[in-house]
Amino acid sequence: DAMVIQNPRYQVTQFGKPVTLSCSQTLNHNVMYWYQQKSSQAPKLLFHYYDKDFNNEADTPDNFQSRRPNTSFCFLDIRSPGLGDAAMYLCATSRETVTTGQDNTEAFFGQGTRLTVV
Amino acid sequence: AQSVTQLDSQVPVFEEAPVELRCNYSSSVSVYLFWYVQYPNQGLQLLLKYLSGSTLVESINGFEAEFNKSQTSFHLRKPSVHISDTAEYFCAVSDQNYGGSQGNLIFGKGTKLSVKP
Repeated sequence: DAMVIQNPRYQVTQFGKPVTLSCSQTLNHNVMYWYQQKSSQAPKLLFHYYDKDFNNEADTPDNFQSRRPNTSFCFLDIRSPGLGDAAMYLCATSRETVTTGQDNTEAFFGQGTRLTVV
Repeated sequence: AQSVTQLDSQVPVFEEAPVELRCNYSSSVSVYLFWYVQYPNQGLQLLLKYLSGSTLVESINGFEAEFNKSQTSFHLRKPSVHISDTAEYFCAVSDQNYGGSQGNLIFGKGTKLSVKP
């Protein structure tokens, strides 16, 4: 039973053509994350939503945007994809609590969307 | 700022042999530690984690990792590997002071474990 679902699994887009990747979750987690993983590299956090509050990482390019219309869904928009944006994009969710160190607050990842830019 | 170093990019082993995947971290604050596994063209699955308490943590499929604060390490071990353990393994840390969630992760570059018959 998939809990974090990413669609599509594979996406091909043209250079410069806007593209949207989607993520949905059935866990009712209040935090959702987008990571970028380039070939043979570590996943890198782009941004995350804590409920409706958007938190951008300092080095995330302006070309990347995100929307979270409700608890279950989160979208990654790439306004003008370049060849260097080809990567696996991973969505994750977690449950944030006010108490640190609690169990069951780890991140759950989706299967990823592999983006190819042609 | 935190960083994670996985010293070995690739580790080939024979089936039923023991394996250790090394992970060292640096941080100016207390962190939580994780190992994630990634199979080809799949997302990341949590293998095990250290939050507090016992420094030795175990997964359901026979992996274990030990948190060593003095050496800032969190090496992953398995006494006898199977073909099905072939995958990429990522060590990660999150800042203990970053609220109560553990999804804001700094990952190492990963270690590809290849188990041969």
